[in-house]
Amino acid sequence: KAGVTQTPRYLIKTRGQQVTLSCSPISGHRSVSWYQQTPGQGLQFLFEYFSETQRNKGNFPGRFSGRQFSNSRSEMNVSTLELGDSALYLCASSPSGSLYEQYFGPGTRLTVT
Amino acid sequence: GEDVEQSLFLSVREGDSSVINCTYTDSSSTYLYWYKQEPGAGLQLLTYIFSNMDMKQDQRLTVLLNKKDKHLSLRIADTQTGDSAIYFCAESGQAGTALIFGKGTTLSVSS
Repeated sequence: KAGVTQTPRYLIKTRGQQVTLSCSPISGHRSVSWYQQTPGQGLQFLFEYFSETQRNKGNFPGRFSGRQFSNSRSEMNVSTLELGDSALYLCASSPSGSLYEQYFGPGTRLTVT
Repeated sequence: GEDVEQSLFLSVREGDSSVINCTYTDSSSTYLYWYKQEPGAGLQLLTYIFSNMDMKQDQRLTVLLNKKDKHLSLRIADTQTGDSAIYFCAESGQAGTALIFGKGTTLSVSS
């Protein structure tokens, strides 16, 4: 079975721009979660989608949004980028949302200049 | 609030045992987890322990849980250079809907 894939793997954007990151879960997994990893704040939960609905949300500003499609693929969008948004964005999928069945992708490294 | 604390660095020699420690605050967490992250890679779930267990062994890995002290440890027996990575402790929090991670312990294994 193919693992969780994330595209693109690396991205450079300018302050004020917006960006869209994509995540394809493991086949059959219906839950997709997103995490942000920075040196200062560590790993922080952004949101989780299940069957095209946002089920849980972390403590991030409204500039961070996401969606999930009927094939369980998910995208996250960050608008009006700030320097502090530079991070590794990790996506994880699981069959139903169980954390002990969650598999992570390799991440997208976003650099904001 | 929910918080997970880990020491930042651990250095061991190849063949020795490594013990990585973690403390957490949320006693309602149902599961506690250990993840490994190698350079340039995502997170790999190493093992997890149910909160009503004291110990779990999985090949070279041993997890010990002290619920009273809210202390979790990961022991790696016969540590190899390939074990060099960042190890994250995580809890599931009160809601059990998202992982709450520690800042990670960088394990350096020298030959």
